[in-house]
Amino acid sequence: NAGVTQTPKFRILKIGQSMTLQCTQDMNHNYMYWYRQDPGMGLKLIYYSVGAGITDKGEVPNGYNVSRSTTEDFPLRLELAAPSQTSVYFCASKATANTEAFFGQGTRLTVV
Amino acid sequence: KQEVTQIPAALSVPEGENLVLNCSFTDSAIYNLQWFRQDPGKGLTSLLLIQSSQREQTSGRLNASLDKSSGRSTLYIAASQPGDSATYLCAVFKAAGNKLTFGGGTRVLVKP
Repeated sequence: NAGVTQTPKFRILKIGQSMTLQCTQDMNHNYMYWYRQDPGMGLKLIYYSVGAGITDKGEVPNGYNVSRSTTEDFPLRLELAAPSQTSVYFCASKATANTEAFFGQGTRLTVV
Repeated sequence: KQEVTQIPAALSVPEGENLVLNCSFTDSAIYNLQWFRQDPGKGLTSLLLIQSSQREQTSGRLNASLDKSSGRSTLYIAASQPGDSATYLCAVFKAAGNKLTFGGGTRVLVKP
């Protein structure tokens, strides 16, 4: 039972490059979330989705884009990477409003 | 906007002492609240989910209480062990908006 899988685990990007962080869940969950966690801080919501074809902005969406073409996948796209996007990115999913959320192991991104 | 606060940010206790971790939230119209544990450099592990209709939830040495009207939840960890050393985060889910909002976490050190 894989749960929530994030790839890659680590990545170094140069300023101005683009990349996609992958998130896949095999639990048929409707809700999916992307967070970033800066050192010593809590998690800030970037984007979220309540089902295929539906996405919405969180607290800190600038510089990011998402899509949700299937229930399983929720990729996060970084365009024109900036040093301020250096962070650990976590993907999460939950089945319904009254069930628990599960997290992936994170992607550690450094922009230099 | 929902604000979630965890005070203190860090806590150090001797082994065997009971741990009391606090979580407060500004908007009491929540659907549920979830407690997580995060080890350094790792993802988040779900500990307990407490629904808005519940007053408490228990799992082994862990007990979480919820007072929705006052906007507070407390996580109790009985007879702490060095292996309990980690960061503990709380997150509230509000059905209106479908957002899962996190507190900043409490970093716990249990000294042998």
